[in-house]
Amino acid sequence: KQEVTQIPAALSVPEGENLVLNCSFTDSAIYNLQWFRQDPGKGLTSLLLIQSSQREQTSGRLNASLDKSSGRSTLYIAASQPGDSATYLCASELGNFNKFYFGSGTKLNVKP
Amino acid sequence: NAGVTQTPKFQVLKTGQSMTLQCAQDMNHEYMSWYRQDPGMGLRLIHYSVGAGITDQGEVPNGYNVSRSTTEDFPLRLLSAAPSQTSVYFCASSTRTGGHYGYTFGSGTRLTVV
Repeated sequence: KQEVTQIPAALSVPEGENLVLNCSFTDSAIYNLQWFRQDPGKGLTSLLLIQSSQREQTSGRLNASLDKSSGRSTLYIAASQPGDSATYLCASELGNFNKFYFGSGTKLNVKP
Repeated sequence: NAGVTQTPKFQVLKTGQSMTLQCAQDMNHEYMSWYRQDPGMGLRLIHYSVGAGITDQGEVPNGYNVSRSTTEDFPLRLLSAAPSQTSVYFCASSTRTGGHYGYTFGSGTRLTVV
């Protein structure tokens, strides 16, 4: 069974800071690793997907890296903004069957 | 709008009642799945489907049934509701056709069992 851990559980930063969210997983035989954003009372929005053969993906101010050998992924957010405030979830997908194992999330608060 | 539609958005059940949570997608995605999210925890997989007529169990399947008679619909049935099933339920669909990856989650159903 895949165990996914996210550190820290909560983070509060002033606007403009660069920050790193961490995700670790126990089974390195992942199909892909995905980062999601969840706003209060809403569903999940996919931010970045890293396939098992890739090392990183970038979208705007977001950069996600994947190190399968160490079982780690990081999400880097540059120049944070209050609109980035949300819960960020990391999920690993095993096999080829749309089976995600989620971490419990990092709740981010960016203060104006 | 294309996406995953879940109904109802909110539901209160009494212990022992049964009900069906509906999930429909209009993107012709082959994969669909159901998750539950409890406070302070990530999402946990209940059941999933890799295509019409094919379903399998996830991490926490007990007390739930699913079926997938069409590509579009993937209902989740609670057989006899228990307070432990109080949670937020998310339906998701995805595709990997032709190297294209697409993942879409519904907005959730908040279920309370009293």
